[in-house]
Amino acid sequence: SQKIEQNSEALNIQEGKTATLTCNYTNYSPAYLQWYRQDPGRGPVFLLLIRENEKEKRKERLKVTFDTTLKQSLFHITASQPADSATYLCALGGGGSYIPTFGRGTSLIVHP
Amino acid sequence: GAVVSQHPSRVICKSGTSVKIECRSLDFQATTMFWYRQFPKQSLMLMATSNEGSKATYEQGVEKDKFLINHASLTLSTLTVTSAHPEDSSFYICSAAPGLYQHEQYFGPGTRLTVT
Repeated sequence: SQKIEQNSEALNIQEGKTATLTCNYTNYSPAYLQWYRQDPGRGPVFLLLIRENEKEKRKERLKVTFDTTLKQSLFHITASQPADSATYLCALGGGGSYIPTFGRGTSLIVHP
Repeated sequence: GAVVSQHPSRVICKSGTSVKIECRSLDFQATTMFWYRQFPKQSLMLMATSNEGSKATYEQGVEKDKFLINHASLTLSTLTVTSAHPEDSSFYICSAAPGLYQHEQYFGPGTRLTVT
């Protein structure tokens, strides 16, 4: 069955450092991958979408890579700030459905 | 742009009663709306997909008679949890897709339902 894996342990980093979050998947050939930010008690907020034929995408301090051979996406936040603290979800879509399937998310905590 | 609202944000109800949650797209017309539920530290689980004017498509394992979805217009969808039980307590989130490509979704802020 399709499986999306995100590290369940929180990632703790110091302000100013680069945060790197991982999304691995199995039994899936996604046409695209998305990253969302979710704050406690709130709905997810869309950040970035990367398609299967794209290796990397950037938006301000965010960078996403997509390796369909490794079946992995990396999500980077450079010059991280305490305000970046949140849970980050990856979602995969395609393979017959455009509706994405979500991972559990990884909590990021940026310490001042 | 692309704002989705949900009402109420929190609701507490007694077991056996019904609760209605509204989802509105405020500044765009939503071809499709989605309803998810999320348990603590779990992923979003898609419950159903609804298109304006037609019946909702429910995911496997979701009881359509318990979770009634009405997509009345291109800007409004409602989820009614009928005869709620404590195990229905969860975080319910809607999203709306403005176009044909359903991966472009905008999420509402969510509704915390507690059934006592």
